[in-house]
Amino acid sequence: DTEVTQTPKHLVMGMTNKKSLKCEQHMGHRAMYWYKQKAKKPPELMFVYSYEKLSINESVPSRFSPECPNSSLLNLHLHALQPEDSALYLCASSQVTGPNQPQHFGDGTRLSIL
Amino acid sequence: QKEVEQDPGPLSVPEGAIVSLNCTYSNSAFQYFMWYRQYSRKGPELLMYTYSSGNKEDGRFTAQVDKSSKYISLFIRDSQPSDSATYLCAMSDSGGGADGLTFGKGTHLIIQP
Repeated sequence: DTEVTQTPKHLVMGMTNKKSLKCEQHMGHRAMYWYKQKAKKPPELMFVYSYEKLSINESVPSRFSPECPNSSLLNLHLHALQPEDSALYLCASSQVTGPNQPQHFGDGTRLSIL
Repeated sequence: QKEVEQDPGPLSVPEGAIVSLNCTYSNSAFQYFMWYRQYSRKGPELLMYTYSSGNKEDGRFTAQVDKSSKYISLFIRDSQPSDSATYLCAMSDSGGGADGLTFGKGTHLIIQP
């Protein structure tokens, strides 16, 4: 089992639905990340939070809205998604941000958009 | 030219063989190098983390970095069927920014019993 927990494991939603993905870590890490991974592709960075503040948004469409309510929790709110948004959404954390900080990943939420 | 090149495979070897997985990169600023293992329908699991050139060993795994050639390797000794997975190399530079990792495409490894 990983130390980064993501829920739900699977999510199927229509293009007009609103849903949220949740990520929790209790390792005391102060940096948290959202990645998107398509089949047979590497993870692509979406957002970076450092000390609960958004520090990087990699030009992600506004239909994805991240939130970091506290140092242990990271949410990704979804609204009006497109079929091409179907993918594995991975959360990761590290002690702090920085190039020398290895990141630890959860098992992801597999999202399907109908 | 992409920043990180990794042969996607699949790479199929018999059980007990030594496996060599490799990545090349073009950005000379990369200083920190990681190998992740990803099983089907799971998230990437950190296997090895190294800084700059040299070797690092952990059990059956050895990570090797050659910065002069911009080439990193992961060796797996006494390979087991449970090692069958996709192996992703990842790296980051020393720019001090908050960027995420730059990944290779991943190599799909199959260990035949």
